[in-house]
Amino acid sequence: RKEVEQDPGPFNVPEGATVAFNCTYSNSASQSFFWYRQDCRKEPKLLMSVYSSGNEDGRFTAQLNRASQYISLLIRDSKLSDSATYLCAVNMGSTGAGSYQLTFGKGTKLSVIP
Amino acid sequence: GAVVSQHPSRVICKSGTSVKIECRSLDFQATTMFWYRQFPKKSLMLMATSNEGSKATYEQGVEKDKFLINHASLTLSTLTVTSAHPEDSSFYICSASHQGTKPQHFGDGTRLSIL
Repeated sequence: RKEVEQDPGPFNVPEGATVAFNCTYSNSASQSFFWYRQDCRKEPKLLMSVYSSGNEDGRFTAQLNRASQYISLLIRDSKLSDSATYLCAVNMGSTGAGSYQLTFGKGTKLSVIP
Repeated sequence: GAVVSQHPSRVICKSGTSVKIECRSLDFQATTMFWYRQFPKKSLMLMATSNEGSKATYEQGVEKDKFLINHASLTLSTLTVTSAHPEDSSFYICSASHQGTKPQHFGDGTRLSIL
């Protein structure tokens, strides 16, 4: 089983739609979770951290389910500008330099259509 | 504003040239930085972990003699692609984290094209 798995998509949704991304992770000792957004030919940019209690930032909601070992990202009222690839990232909680390391999913491509 | 700076953003050079890429953490000290490579339409692949004052840790399949990493200070890591060939053409991105379990922030990336 891969360490971090995401549906590669692409997800093609109309403007205004609600879209959800899921990401599963294999290591139950994982400590930190993040969602990144990557635009075409650009570097990934941090979208939001994922907290145990769930967190919301405007149209974006992130949730963590430790029992089932997955995190999710919900985007409401999709905008054309939301079109990008969304990457989940997990810190496996290793020691030493590994404690800084993030394991990334392959990313899910989202296209919001007018 | 940006917390990690990467330079240069674009390099085009002939086969056999060595190319050095710099990654700097701005306003914070990064004992650990990461170097990734991403081929077109492919996922982000970790190449190596750069450790200040010690040797880098390379991922399986990444040649340490080909991709030289130097982390001489707490704010600077460099990646040198030695004797680059067309198959080394890729998007190289560095990242750094303030603290262990905090999110990483990425540099702008370097698009390397070897002719």
